[in-house]
Amino acid sequence: EAGVAQSPRYKIIEKRQSVAFWCNPISGHATLYWYQQILGQGPKLLIQFQNNGVVDDSQLPKDRFSAERLKGVDSTLKIQPAKLEDSAVYLCASSLVQGNTEAFFGQGTRLTVV
Amino acid sequence: AQRVTQPEKLLSVFKGAPVELKCNYSYSGSPELFWYVQYSRQRLQLLLRHISRESIKGFTADLNKGETSFHLKKPFAQEEDSAMYYCALRGGSTLGRLYFGRGTQLTVWP
Repeated sequence: EAGVAQSPRYKIIEKRQSVAFWCNPISGHATLYWYQQILGQGPKLLIQFQNNGVVDDSQLPKDRFSAERLKGVDSTLKIQPAKLEDSAVYLCASSLVQGNTEAFFGQGTRLTVV
Repeated sequence: AQRVTQPEKLLSVFKGAPVELKCNYSYSGSPELFWYVQYSRQRLQLLLRHISRESIKGFTADLNKGETSFHLKKPFAQEEDSAMYYCALRGGSTLGRLYFGRGTQLTVWP
């Protein structure tokens, strides 16, 4: 089966600019996650969707980060304006349902803010 | 609060030697524990989960609730085991989200 697709793979922007990442989950997967992985750390959840509704966004810095999953399939994550500390790999993952099913990860988008 | 600790950032062994990657956790309820692996230039993928009680690629991990540990073990390491390994926890109330440790980079020398 096709895996989780993310684009772009790499992005370099200047601080205070905006950036958007795109994720296409595995077909039929209702749950979608965005994780942030800073160098030297494990992934940390930013936001979780169940279909097109937000289940958990408690760790999302809402003053600059936003995410949407309008039709319950693809999702975009936006940062505006970016800060130096946003440099990280942004991972998208999906699972069939929330709870006790395996999460499949995309390749990630490596963001560098200069 | 949920926390996953992987004390070793780097671990090196020679081919054929036993390997153990340590993972300790803190969680007030009954968690699910996982090991994820990321080979060079590949995506993060599930290696094994404690509820499956299976051996994958020769690796096993046993959940020790008394010691709150979930160490990953393999009796004879192979060069292709070189990768980044992440221990992760999912709690019953966390709706599917995973809490990851910082990861251990395993290098198996020939």
